Amino acid sequence: TQLLEQSPQFLSIQEGENLTVYCNSSSVFSSLQWYRQEPGEGPVLLVTVVTGGEVKKLKRLTFQFGDARKDSSLHITAAQPGDTGLYLCAGVKMDSSYKLIFGSGTRLLVRP
Amino acid sequence: DADVTQTPRNRITKTGKRIMLECSQTKGHDRMYWYRQDPGLGLRLIYYSFDVKDINKGEISDGYSVSRQAQAKFSLSLESAIPNQTALYFCATSSNTRGRHGGYGYTFGSGTRLTVV
Repeated sequence: TQLLEQSPQFLSIQEGENLTVYCNSSSVFSSLQWYRQEPGEGPVLLVTVVTGGEVKKLKRLTFQFGDARKDSSLHITAAQPGDTGLYLCAGVKMDSSYKLIFGSGTRLLVRP
Repeated sequence: DADVTQTPRNRITKTGKRIMLECSQTKGHDRMYWYRQDPGLGLRLIYYSFDVKDINKGEISDGYSVSRQAQAKFSLSLESAIPNQTALYFCATSSNTRGRHGGYGYTFGSGTRLTVV
């Protein structure tokens, strides 16, 4: 079973629409990261959230860390075709290992 | 040059063959990792190393081994490849101090697509 569950697994939307991707766990994480991966490339870090309840914005992307640090969401406003890609959440466990645990990913397609 | 370089980018090998995937980095990071990516499963940790003398198993280390030849180099070996090791393999590095994002952000290579036939 995945420690981090992402939903939806796949999302196809029209340019200009809004969307939200969820990342949920029963475990507490010291921090949570969001990555975007494009075909043929490795994941690229978008943001790290550290404090429970924290909200970070990156242009049209808004990231939130749950109060209990068990879940996170990514909201995209007015999606554009350039937002197409695989979005991965990853959590750092509360032990001292600093290893990242990845969710299964959300594949987003934004149609022009 | 890329911060994290993986070679080869693509490889097709036969069942039973030994194969090595190589990773080198110019980030100056102490920590290096090998992940495997399969459709619908995200990235799963194979091995990780926090410095040259430190090697640790991840969640799916069976059938794999690693070597940390230097701070900048971390290689992954499949001693006897089998078809279910067909996957996309990623090397990553991270600092041992929090970055400006507040966390230990990882830098990934571009991956090696391995097919075992």
